[in-house]
Amino acid sequence: EAGVAQSPRYKIIEKRQSVAFWCNPISGHATLYWYQQILGQGPKLLIQFQNNGVVDDSQLPKDRFSAERLKGVDSTLKIQPAKLEDSAVYLCASSRQGIQETQYFGPGTRLLVL
Amino acid sequence: GENVEQHPSTLSVQEGDSAVIKCTYSDSASNYFPWYKQELGKGPQLIIDIRSNVGEKKDQRIAVTLNKTAKHFSLHITETQPEDSAVYFCAANSGYSTLTFGKGTMLLVSP
Repeated sequence: EAGVAQSPRYKIIEKRQSVAFWCNPISGHATLYWYQQILGQGPKLLIQFQNNGVVDDSQLPKDRFSAERLKGVDSTLKIQPAKLEDSAVYLCASSRQGIQETQYFGPGTRLLVL
Repeated sequence: GENVEQHPSTLSVQEGDSAVIKCTYSDSASNYFPWYKQELGKGPQLIIDIRSNVGEKKDQRIAVTLNKTAKHFSLHITETQPEDSAVYFCAANSGYSTLTFGKGTMLLVSP
């Protein structure tokens, strides 16, 4: 089966600009996650969707980050305006519905904010 | 919330040696502990996981042990090979299906 798709793979922007990332999960996976991975650290959950509803967004900086999952399939994550400290890899993952299901990760989008 | 500590941060071994990575967690309600391998430029990939109803699980050269009383779990890789070189992350669940990750261990296997 096809894996989790993400685009773009790389993005360079200047601070205060806006940027958007796209994710297409594995077909049939109800749960979708966005993680932020800063260099040298583990992934940190930003937001979790179950179908098109938000399950957990407690660590999402809502003053600048937003995410949506229309129709319960694809998802976009937006940053506006970007700060230098937003430089990181943004990973999307998906899993089947249910507790303790394996999360499958996409290749990530590497963001550099100058 | 959950806090996961992982050690060591880097580990160098010779090909054929064993490697052990250890993690501790804080939330006694956690009951799912996956391990992920991340190669350069790629997303993390699940290599093995363990649930709280068992103390050990093996898959060929990889094994994971869990001590719920002490709240720690470990990854064991035997007969290491150069292709095992990567960053390894442990994680523990909190809440419905949220995972909290450790900071990672960079494993380098020298031929």
